[in-house]
Amino acid sequence: EVQLLESGGDLVQPGGSLRLSCAASGFTFSRYAMSWVRQAPGKGLEWVSDISGSGASTNYAASVKGRFTISRDNSNNTLYLQMNSLRAEDTAVYYCAKEVPKGGFDYWGQGILVTVSS
Amino acid sequence: SYVLTQPPSVSVAPGQTARISCGGDNIETKGVHWYQQRPGQAPVRVLYDDSVRPSGIPERFSGSNSGNTATLTISRVEAEDEADYYCQVWDYSNDQYVFGPGTKVTAL
Repeated sequence: EVQLLESGGDLVQPGGSLRLSCAASGFTFSRYAMSWVRQAPGKGLEWVSDISGSGASTNYAASVKGRFTISRDNSNNTLYLQMNSLRAEDTAVYYCAKEVPKGGFDYWGQGILVTVSS
Repeated sequence: SYVLTQPPSVSVAPGQTARISCGGDNIETKGVHWYQQRPGQAPVRVLYDDSVRPSGIPERFSGSNSGNTATLTISRVEAEDEADYYCQVWDYSNDQYVFGPGTKVTAL
């Protein structure tokens, strides 16, 4: 059974940093690209970033490029999102999701809340 | 960047058919994926690559993609289908995924 479990969410001040983790199980982690998707309170889904199975290739939404860094540890089946220079508009539930080629995201985590506020 | 449009809401009587559109420039050249999100829950994929239904998704869910519009069709709508629905594509020009703004489906 595929499981994705996010952790690391917290209340952080504007300008601060936070690192999210996503522990994966139930599939061969290194074979699949992974994404982070966020959802601000009462708003729609916003794709944030993704990373190839090997970790060699990454992509970012314009809204986070230069501030967020996605990475993965295939030996520990864990996906990360390092978030720097956080802004109030980064407040959201962050989901990690497993990608499949030409198939979108077939599994999602339960989400973790990040609140940026003074 | 590539923009997707969806109607904010669709209302349908139980047992009837709901159609949710997803508009985008020449969207027929892209594979469109659809997600259902019930309140307080993570999204669930209900269709991928325009019209392929994952295992466990009822046959009532179907999809099409032509011209500038992709469509998710829910036949014989049930109360459990009340949710927000999002379309998604991969924007090859900018190497990023794009979600539509979402459509709230209400069973009257």
